[in-house]
Amino acid sequence: GDSVTQMEGPVTLSEEAFLTINCTYTATGYPSLFWYVQYPGEGLQLLLKATKADDKGSNKGFEATYRKETTSFHLEKGSVQVSDSAVYFCALNLNTGNQFYFGTGTSLTVIP
Amino acid sequence: EAGVVQSPRYKIIEKKQPVAFWCNPISGHNTLYWYLQNLGQGPELLIRYENEEAVDDSQLPKDRFSAERLKGVDSTLKIQPAELGDSAVYLCASSQGALAGEQFFGPGTRLTVL
Repeated sequence: GDSVTQMEGPVTLSEEAFLTINCTYTATGYPSLFWYVQYPGEGLQLLLKATKADDKGSNKGFEATYRKETTSFHLEKGSVQVSDSAVYFCALNLNTGNQFYFGTGTSLTVIP
Repeated sequence: EAGVVQSPRYKIIEKKQPVAFWCNPISGHNTLYWYLQNLGQGPELLIRYENEEAVDDSQLPKDRFSAERLKGVDSTLKIQPAELGDSAVYLCASSQGALAGEQFFGPGTRLTVL
């Protein structure tokens, strides 16, 4: 079935370190891919998205490239900040009816 | 523009009691979702509405959960009776319904069943 698999956390990094959170997916057809972020006590917020193969989504220094050949959408940031501490969710949307599938989330803590 | 509004933010009840959650989506959003989020997990879909029609409720435990979206705007999710295992965060989200569109989430209702 359709699903998203995320790298398990928690992840702890020092400020200014490089971040990679792995995400792979299984889907029929051609899904759109998303990264959402959830700060403590808040709902999920869209961080970035890509709608077709080879698209790169980017926002707030985060990037992810839609790789159809490896069915991946890994999240990267070159230099993390303490304010990036949150839980990150990879998600896909089957473009056939607004069905979203979320990964289990990866908790990131950035220490000064 | 106001985001997705949910109330209450927190609810503590005893098991076997009923509870209801309310959601007001972003104006103009046809699609409304209710998700269950357990601690340390991603959101799991309970029910999805397109306007006032429930188009996907396959994961909704219908023996105790019910939902409605009158007039295709606000929605209410009810649990009766609540069980200890229902303790979780209940998230509401909405989208414009366009293909590949993003969802906008409310802050959630944290339910604790004692």
